[in-house]
Amino acid sequence: LAKTTQPISMDSYEGQEVNITCSHNNIATNDYITWYQQFPSQGPRFIIQGYKTKVTNEVASLFIPADRKSSTLSLPRVSLSDTAVYYCLVGDPNTGKLIFGQGTTLQVKP
Amino acid sequence: GAVVSQHPSWVICKSGTSVKIECRSLDFQATTMFWYRQFPKQSLMLMATSNEGSKATYEQGVEKDKFLINHASLTLSTLTVTSAHPEDSSFYICSARIGLWNTEAFFGQGTRLTVV
Repeated sequence: LAKTTQPISMDSYEGQEVNITCSHNNIATNDYITWYQQFPSQGPRFIIQGYKTKVTNEVASLFIPADRKSSTLSLPRVSLSDTAVYYCLVGDPNTGKLIFGQGTTLQVKP
Repeated sequence: GAVVSQHPSWVICKSGTSVKIECRSLDFQATTMFWYRQFPKQSLMLMATSNEGSKATYEQGVEKDKFLINHASLTLSTLTVTSAHPEDSSFYICSARIGLWNTEAFFGQGTRLTVV
């Protein structure tokens, strides 16, 4: 399974754009990259998923370079409610398992 | 979006007793579900893969006789913590996918287990 590495924590202010980068140097050809958000005492919530280049949905964008060894989650104009832990995961196409790394704790300040 | 529901949301039990946690996919069928455990301030740790109609696959270091998993139907998987001890106190979370490995995984809201 490809291992992911993220910054442990990040601080931001309301209204700013936040970019969280994840490294996955050993990503396999068939692996997809998925980001989840987790609030305390809740299950993780899907944010966005991608394979290459750029993916955008109503809440975030995901940038994946050509070598796919990293990815960047971009949250536009964060608010206080975006304070959470963000996980970058690389799926195992053989088993479907999702193995969580340590995640990035994002603290949005007023 | 699809919903995965866990029950109960929280439970307190006495040491030595067993506790069952249910995970249901409410509007889709899931041949595979996953069980995770999360301690305070830590990430989710995969415990086992629950397969409908067959035995669960446990991750290394997880005691299969202590954490019994049953996936009797395409919409229900259960995790039973047998002979619970205070060190089993944790946040247990299940997840399921609608289809292939590269599709979105949906997570339950979690179950907070406290063993006293």
